[in-house]
Amino acid sequence: EPEVTQTPSHQVTQMGQEVILRCVPISNHLYFYWYRQILGQKVEFLVSFYNNEISEKSEIFDDQFSVERPDGSNFTLKIRSTKLEDSAMYFCASTRTQGTYEQYFGPGTRLTVT
Amino acid sequence: KNQVEQSPQSLIILEGKNCTLQCNYTVSPFSNLRWYKQDTGRGPVSLTIMTFSENTKSNGRYTATLDADTKQSSLHITASQLSDSASYICVVSAGAAGNKLTFGGGTRVLVKP
Repeated sequence: EPEVTQTPSHQVTQMGQEVILRCVPISNHLYFYWYRQILGQKVEFLVSFYNNEISEKSEIFDDQFSVERPDGSNFTLKIRSTKLEDSAMYFCASTRTQGTYEQYFGPGTRLTVT
Repeated sequence: KNQVEQSPQSLIILEGKNCTLQCNYTVSPFSNLRWYKQDTGRGPVSLTIMTFSENTKSNGRYTATLDADTKQSSLHITASQLSDSASYICVVSAGAAGNKLTFGGGTRVLVKP
């Protein structure tokens, strides 16, 4: 069964450094998402991406965040200058189309900023 | 502001017993409501998706209900198994596109033998 994959599973970085989190969505899916979950808190929507552009973003997704689909398979989230409060689990998800179709989540990348 | 509230925060049940989890939401404009199961340290896995016109949907031993008038949903787990131990998250989708999800805080279920 196809699945969303994410790398790395755990990333440790120092405050102020740039990180890139990688995701490979399911191959015939067209819509891609990033979510984050701070330890012990709710999952929060960050951004949705379709047709090589951002379709929607939350207030959390400020100028230090960016997303890219550099090739036909990868979908990346870049955090330009990490802060301690960026420490969280980051989930990538994809769906074939929008609306009531199921979003398939990856296993997540745990980002620890020290 | 769109919000999804769940209760209880956690519960412990004995293997084989049933339980019901509750979800209240204030999300507008409503598109659909989903229940996800999340194991510790893993990504959420979809259990059910319901639109405005659906008031019940089942997936094996999981049955979700939706009352769009009162903006409430429930997830009923029948004949619980040890593998049902997880967090169950109510998620509501807003807007015409329906792809921006608002997550509840989850109910942590522990099934004991």
